[in-house]
Amino acid sequence: DAKTTQPNSMESNEEEPVHLPCNHSTISGTDYIHWYRQLPSQGPEYVIHGLTSNVNNRMASLAIAEDRKSSTLILHRATLRDAAVYYCILRDVGGSQGNLIFGKGTKLSVKP
Amino acid sequence: ETGVTQSPTHLIKTRGQQVTLRCSSQSGHNTVSWYQQALGQGPQFIFQYYREEENGRGNFPPRFSGLQFPNYSSELNVNALELDDSALYLCASSPGVATGELFFGEGSRLTVL
Repeated sequence: DAKTTQPNSMESNEEEPVHLPCNHSTISGTDYIHWYRQLPSQGPEYVIHGLTSNVNNRMASLAIAEDRKSSTLILHRATLRDAAVYYCILRDVGGSQGNLIFGKGTKLSVKP
Repeated sequence: ETGVTQSPTHLIKTRGQQVTLRCSSQSGHNTVSWYQQALGQGPQFIFQYYREEENGRGNFPPRFSGLQFPNYSSELNVNALELDDSALYLCASSPGVATGELFFGEGSRLTVL
């Protein structure tokens, strides 16, 4: 699977939007972009995924660059509960579903 | 709907011992994957089971083995424990191999002394 690059850490204020960037310059045409997050002392939690078009769900939005070499996870109003490590992962549609390759992710801190 | 549950939550073993970790997948899920997460690192894929057969394996030695049962629950066995095996072991289930979302349990924290 292709690799992703994320900042090690980011800070946000509560109730403000947060934009978490991810670079994936070697992405292939069949790679989906997945985001998971891991709250302290918990297992990872699925956030969102997409292929080419921007995606929205109840948790977040995913903005994908036109060339697909980068993407941004958007939390519209950060809460204290959003403090977590966020992982950006590429998945080949033809690959084994279980084989997610996690990097170190971005540790998001949310200040009251 | 019951989520993914893992047991035990914490355990301590000594070098050379063997350990078995258990995972109950979410209802309706036939695929289970196991991950190892060392402190400060992202999870690393160990292997996946689909309908009781191993269906993919990461870069882990043969002393890491697993099983999946007819009810799709799963076990991870680690023989000849080493100090570096100390980690959080995560189980994840999904309703099939080709779906987009994995559901993770809260993990089993293994300490090897």
